[in-house]
Amino acid sequence: DTGVSQDPRHKITKRGQNVTFRCDPISEHNRLYWYRQTLGQGPEFLTYFQNEAQLEKSRLLSDRFSAERPKGSFSTLEIQRTEQGDSAMYLCASSLEILGTGGSNEQFFGPGTRLTVL
Amino acid sequence: KNQVEQSPQSLIILEGKNCTLQCNYTVSPFSNLRWYKQDTGRGPVSLTIMTFSENTKSNGRYTATLDADTKQSSLHITASQLSDSASYICVVSAKNQGGKLIFGQGTELSVKP
Repeated sequence: DTGVSQDPRHKITKRGQNVTFRCDPISEHNRLYWYRQTLGQGPEFLTYFQNEAQLEKSRLLSDRFSAERPKGSFSTLEIQRTEQGDSAMYLCASSLEILGTGGSNEQFFGPGTRLTVL
Repeated sequence: KNQVEQSPQSLIILEGKNCTLQCNYTVSPFSNLRWYKQDTGRGPVSLTIMTFSENTKSNGRYTATLDADTKQSSLHITASQLSDSASYICVVSAKNQGGKLIFGQGTELSVKP
C-alpha cells in the first residue's frame, strides 16, 4: 500500500454514460497526476495538478474528460459520454515536489480504477 | 520525440535464475530514470531511481544500471522468486516537465517453479 487510494477499483458502464473517479493522494503531497494504461502498454500521462492548479493536460485528454482538484487534496476525473475506446486502467499518482528540483521527486501510484465500457 | 523502448517484451525464467531487462530512451533533457514493478491489476511500485550522475543502484535482489552516454539502462534480477512475476516498466522524466513521466511498454516477466 503506497498511501494513494482510488475509488472505485472497478467500473463497468454502458457507452454514452458519464463516470467519475476519485483519487486521494498522500496527504502532504502537493502534486497529483493522472495516467491512463491500456492492456499490455505502459501508462500514458493525462494531466497533473500542483496543489489545486491544473498545470498541464495531454492531448490525449479530449473535451469529454475533465479533472479537478478543488482544495488541493483529493482529485476527481470525469469522463462524459463514454466510448468503448475509453476502456482502460486509470492511475493516479502523487508526489511532494520541492521548488527547484525540476519535478523529479518520486511519484507514488494508487491501485488504479479499471474502466470497462460496454 | 521522447520515447522509452524496452526489451524483451516478455520473458519466462525458472525460479532461482537471474535475468536482465533492457531499456533504451531518447528523452531529453534527461532528469532521471526509474524502474517500476507492476503486479497484474495494481499500480506501479518504484524499485529504483537514478539521476544522470548515478550508473548503478541496488534494491535487494534488483540492480539497475544507467549509461547516460548511450541512453541505456538495465535491470538485473538475481535469484528470481515466484513473486517476481510482474511487469517491469522503465520510466524516464525530462527536466522542467513538471515531473511528467514517460513510460516504456514494460517487460512481462514470468517466473516458473
